[in-house]
Amino acid sequence: GENVEQHPSTLSVQEGDSAVIKCTYSDSASNYFPWYKQELGKRPQLIIDIRSNVGEKKDQRIAVTLNKTAKHFSLHITETQPEDSAVYFCAARTNFGNEKLTFGTGTRLTIIP
Amino acid sequence: DADVTQTPRNRITKTGKRIMLECSQTKGHDRMYWYRQDPGLGLRLIYYSFDVKDINKGEISDGYSVSRQAQAKFSLSLESAIPNQTALYFCATSEGRESNQPQHFGDGTRLSIL
Repeated sequence: GENVEQHPSTLSVQEGDSAVIKCTYSDSASNYFPWYKQELGKRPQLIIDIRSNVGEKKDQRIAVTLNKTAKHFSLHITETQPEDSAVYFCAARTNFGNEKLTFGTGTRLTIIP
Repeated sequence: DADVTQTPRNRITKTGKRIMLECSQTKGHDRMYWYRQDPGLGLRLIYYSFDVKDINKGEISDGYSVSRQAQAKFSLSLESAIPNQTALYFCATSEGRESNQPQHFGDGTRLSIL
């Protein structure tokens, strides 16, 4: 089955700086990679996703890159703001047989004012 | 999304009790999922259902059972609760017509087993 590793587990950055979170996956058949943000006490919410036919996707201050050869994908947040403080989860899904998401273990991002 | 509703939001119970967590959705999605979240372990899939007649085990199904009563309802049961089932439980839904659709989560149920 799929295995997703996520690093780092905690990350602190100065407000205005960039943050990068990295994930690797094991199943080369995986072709969908969402990122979720979970604020304290709240539900995970999708912030951006990428499909395997695309190498990069951007939405305002958030971008995701995918390297299929190396089987890794990354979340980039630029010009960080205090409201970016949260736990971020990456996930991967195969489109073969019964599709299901496998999540990484999460990164707690803290933005220092 | 308020469209995915979980009840109860919090529950404290004792070892050996039977517990049911309920999830209902108004999004019209075919696919529903149950996850548990533990600190440092992320979200792990317990069971999932792609339609009313389809139930599948996830990676940590032991000690749990589910029922898909209707397209909109998917309940998770702990037949005889044990303390290591203390966790935050999330229900999620996604569309079934196309692959690779995002999952939408409920607000979660915080379950404590004493």
